[in-house]
Amino acid sequence: GAGVSQSPSNKVTEKGKDVELRCDPISGHTALYWYRQSLGQGLEFLIYFQGNSAPDKSGLPSDRFSAERTGGSVSTLTIQRTQQEDSAVYLCASSLGAASGSSSYEQYFGPGTRLTVT
Amino acid sequence: LAKTTQPISMDSYEGQEVNITCSHNNIATNDYITWYQQFPSQGPRFIIQGYKTKVTNEVASLFIPADRKSSTLSLPRVSLSDTAVYYCLVGSLIYNQGGKLIFGQGTELSVKP
Repeated sequence: GAGVSQSPSNKVTEKGKDVELRCDPISGHTALYWYRQSLGQGLEFLIYFQGNSAPDKSGLPSDRFSAERTGGSVSTLTIQRTQQEDSAVYLCASSLGAASGSSSYEQYFGPGTRLTVT
Repeated sequence: LAKTTQPISMDSYEGQEVNITCSHNNIATNDYITWYQQFPSQGPRFIIQGYKTKVTNEVASLFIPADRKSSTLSLPRVSLSDTAVYYCLVGSLIYNQGGKLIFGQGTELSVKP
């Protein structure tokens, strides 16, 4: 009965290094979402997957960001050549499905990965 | 894209009803309105979702006027444990076609004894 898990919980990296963030969704959830939350800010929608497919990648902040999902389960968000402005909490969520028709399924969020770029 | 606007903060006392309004003037026909609650160092938690008129569940009510340009989350008889940040989310995802989900900046609710 585990919820959404994310790893690592905290990551400190030097500017210019690559980082990989992992998300394990709730079993059976076909949709997976990535968000970014900067200190004291709201949530910024980055990307979502329906199965292994990401229909719209335009929310990714720059071409240094990429995400993939394999086997319809685990997803990784990769940030290349990290910059200080990438410092934030990266949240992952999953739901039973992404919108079929026009509705939006309830999203279950993980605890987030706090990324600090020094 | 529907931009959302919420009050930055609100104060209340235990036992009172709290109403938090979110403005979303550019809401699209397909967009739903969802509210989430977030405690410090945790991910957001779903409260309620609606499309139009009124929706009620065991923890809250959501009022959406006919023009859908705003929505109001109503929390009946709040307690100290309701102190949190409340986010309004507007958007829709069309199956395998993409879309966007726009969160408001959040309303920090402080409930006092």
